[in-house]
Amino acid sequence: GESVGLHLPTLSVQEGDNSIINCAYSNSASDYFIWYKQESGKGPQFIIDIRSNMDKRQGQRVTVLLNKTVKHLSLQIAATQPGDSAVYFCALSWNSGYSTLTFGKGTMLLVSP
Amino acid sequence: GAGVSQSPSNKVTEKGKDVELRCDPISGHTALYWYRQSLGQGLEFLIYFQGNSAPDKSGLPSDRFSAERTGGSVSTLTIQRTQQEDSAVYLCASRAWGVNSPLHFGNGTRLTVT
Repeated sequence: GESVGLHLPTLSVQEGDNSIINCAYSNSASDYFIWYKQESGKGPQFIIDIRSNMDKRQGQRVTVLLNKTVKHLSLQIAATQPGDSAVYFCALSWNSGYSTLTFGKGTMLLVSP
Repeated sequence: GAGVSQSPSNKVTEKGKDVELRCDPISGHTALYWYRQSLGQGLEFLIYFQGNSAPDKSGLPSDRFSAERTGGSVSTLTIQRTQQEDSAVYLCASRAWGVNSPLHFGNGTRLTVT
């Protein structure tokens, strides 16, 4: 979802738990979706992407799910570690990725040991 | 270097002064983007360069903002007559040619206008 103002949605989990971060979008023409991780003082770091002709894609400890019917994207992180603590952004584009990338407001993930 | 490089990493300037922010994209990347990130916010698109095409300037917030990309590589974002509301982190990203290729970001320039 989206947030307004300075307070990011926050997800707090215990080390070893699975984390799910959600993102809703409105542009049905979107055809390329990316998840980024941003640690304090750094630029966003690419995690995983998915095209609109897929509904699931897996990486190392991460899975992205895409539900085009309800315009919903999620990032699942397995066995969350303290190093996963960061702000996570979903981003989307259209025209096979050639349009500019539009970012969501972000979700802060806090992992306690 | 292997990644996108931005300089300076931090810039403090007085209101009314001009500033220039530099971005060195990943070698061979044809597309270059500038975004702005205010405290606790998402990323706001500013401008996009793709090869030799005319840049997409639709995100520039005012005519005080401009950017150029020389030789298809290095880019400079210029803010004239800076205002306090310009304070933010300015992020540069580059992307390789080809469909569905992700943006790779630098670590940004933190601009503080006093």
